Amino acid sequence: ETGVTQTPRHLVMGMTNKKSLKCEQHLGHNAMYWYKQSAKKPLELMFVYSLEERVENNSVPSRFSPECPNSSHLFLHLHTLQPEDSALYLCASSQGQADFYGYTFGSGTRLTVV
Amino acid sequence: QQQVKQSPQSLIVQKGGIPIINCAYENTAFDYFPWYQQFPGKGPALLIAIRPDVSEKKEGRFTISFNKSAKQFSLHIMDSQPGDSATYFCAASIGSARQLTFGSGTQLTVLP
Repeated sequence: ETGVTQTPRHLVMGMTNKKSLKCEQHLGHNAMYWYKQSAKKPLELMFVYSLEERVENNSVPSRFSPECPNSSHLFLHLHTLQPEDSALYLCASSQGQADFYGYTFGSGTRLTVV
Repeated sequence: QQQVKQSPQSLIVQKGGIPIINCAYENTAFDYFPWYQQFPGKGPALLIAIRPDVSEKKEGRFTISFNKSAKQFSLHIMDSQPGDSATYFCAASIGSARQLTFGSGTQLTVLP
């Protein structure tokens, strides 16, 4: 494992369901991220949390709601999703500003909206 | 301004060949340029990274070449192996912001 654990690995949900994705990092990092990965598109940054405070929301639809209760845990709450939201959702963590060395990613949650 | 353009979209080489993947950027404030490798069913993993004060960095069979004036950087894989078959992403960040901007990815296939 990479030190960043995501659950579940796969999720199929209907458009009226509510579900949550979970991410946990064991690296002592102080920033966590949600990315969306769709086929043949660049990784899209959704949310950034630094020291448990959300610092950016890149115009993500309100049907996606993040939660960061502490520096080790990150959730993505999902409700009334659309089929185009089907994608791989990746969590990542990083450390520092002066010593930023990129992200450590989890293995992702493959989400299918039916 | 924040885009990182990556090419080619896909690449097929024979075992032992030297695939080269290229990236170009516009924002001169970028100061950290990593490459990530992603296998099917896995998240991207950091492969190698460079900062703009050097023009080349080698780690094993992987080399980054960096051209600051042209605002381009590339990944070279020496003596490529079938196990190198994966999707490769370039990225760039402004260190203090700690946010990576990714290229669109290159799917590499190394034939045995």
